[in-house]
Amino acid sequence: AQSVTQPDIHITVSEGASLELRCNYSYGATPYLFWYVQSPGQGLQLLLKYFSGDTLVQGIKGFEAEFKRSQSSFNLRKPSVHWSDAAEYFCAVRAGANNLFFGTGTRLTVIP
Amino acid sequence: DAGVTQSPTHLIKTRGQQVTLRCSPKSGHDTVSWYQQALGQGPQFIFQYYEEEERQRGNFPDRFSGHQFPNYSSELNVNALLLGDSALYLCASSLPDRDGEQYFGPGTRLTVT
Repeated sequence: AQSVTQPDIHITVSEGASLELRCNYSYGATPYLFWYVQSPGQGLQLLLKYFSGDTLVQGIKGFEAEFKRSQSSFNLRKPSVHWSDAAEYFCAVRAGANNLFFGTGTRLTVIP
Repeated sequence: DAGVTQSPTHLIKTRGQQVTLRCSPKSGHDTVSWYQQALGQGPQFIFQYYEEEERQRGNFPDRFSGHQFPNYSSELNVNALLLGDSALYLCASSLPDRDGEQYFGPGTRLTVT
């Protein structure tokens, strides 16, 4: 069965600092992996996705993620965080025919 | 290009009542999925509709049912509401078998009292 673990419930970073959000997955086959962001009271916006090929994927808003099969990880990174990046971040893996299995999320707080 | 839209935005119901939530998919998308997001949790898959049929279902009781119309819009119905059904209900649309990429609407906040 698939699972997604986001070990950090809440992370606080200073504006301009670098960011790394952790995601570990468990899935029998080659995973299709996603990172979504959710601002308060909003739906989910896709940041980036990994299906195959280059293990470093670029997304919107300056985010990137690296797929590491040996570590079953798909960590999200950003070199310099902006105040507008404060939100909830969800890692997800494609499960079944075409649905997503989400982690519990990491809440990001950005301090000036 | 209109994205995924959902209605209503907020809803308050009493235990035992029934509720219907609505979703219009992104233009060009014909597959609709529904998710329940409890407070402080990640979204959980309820079911998915394609060609007006339920194609896949998550671990939710039969009180949760749905429908898809010929124009691809969809409804989520929940009967005999429980306090635990209070959550944000998210609709997502996609193209079939398009690598799992889904576009989400803003959600409907359901409160059961």
